[in-house]
Amino acid sequence: GDSVTQMEGPVTLSEEAFLTINCTYTATGYPSLFWYVQYPGEGLQLLLKATKADDKGSNKGFEATYRKETTSFHLEKGSVQVSDSAVYFCALSNNFNKFYFGSGTKLNVKP
Amino acid sequence: NAGVTQTPKFRVLKTGQSMTLLCAQDMNHEYMYWYRQDPGMGLRLIHYSVGEGTTAKGEVPDGYNVSRLKKQNFLLGLESAAPSQTSVYFCATSQISPGGTYEQYFGPGTRLTVT
Repeated sequence: GDSVTQMEGPVTLSEEAFLTINCTYTATGYPSLFWYVQYPGEGLQLLLKATKADDKGSNKGFEATYRKETTSFHLEKGSVQVSDSAVYFCALSNNFNKFYFGSGTKLNVKP
Repeated sequence: NAGVTQTPKFRVLKTGQSMTLLCAQDMNHEYMYWYRQDPGMGLRLIHYSVGEGTTAKGEVPDGYNVSRLKKQNFLLGLESAAPSQTSVYFCATSQISPGGTYEQYFGPGTRLTVT
């Protein structure tokens, strides 16, 4: 079945460091891929998405590229801020409108 | 617009008690979902609905029931709560976007503790 695997956390970085959170997926067909962010005490918010191979999703300085050949959708940011501290979820959606989420990666950014 | 709201925000139950969690949305979305979030396990789908009057089982439906009598509301019921149901529960909605993909919108969550 469809599934998402992402790197375990927590990830601890200093402010202005480069961020990569790895995400790989298993799916039939051609799913859409998403990154969601969850701030403490809140629900998940859509951060970015990509709908087909080689698409790059971007938002708030975060980027992820849909790589069908490696079944990956890694999240990157060139310079993290303390305000980026949150839990990040990779997810996929197939054409049946079901979503599959990874286990989440907690990011801690220190000043 | 309030988006997706959940009631209550927190609840403590004793084993065997029952309760209902309410999810309400004002976005006129067709699809609604209930997830539970447990440490290290991400989100797991409990039940979902593709429209008013419909419900379907997700990944972990046992011990839960749902109803979608009105398009804007999706209720999650626990008939006889167990400690294993201690979790954070999230409601979500989705609708097809102009680009042809579905995007989910989440409520703030309900933290449930069963003692």
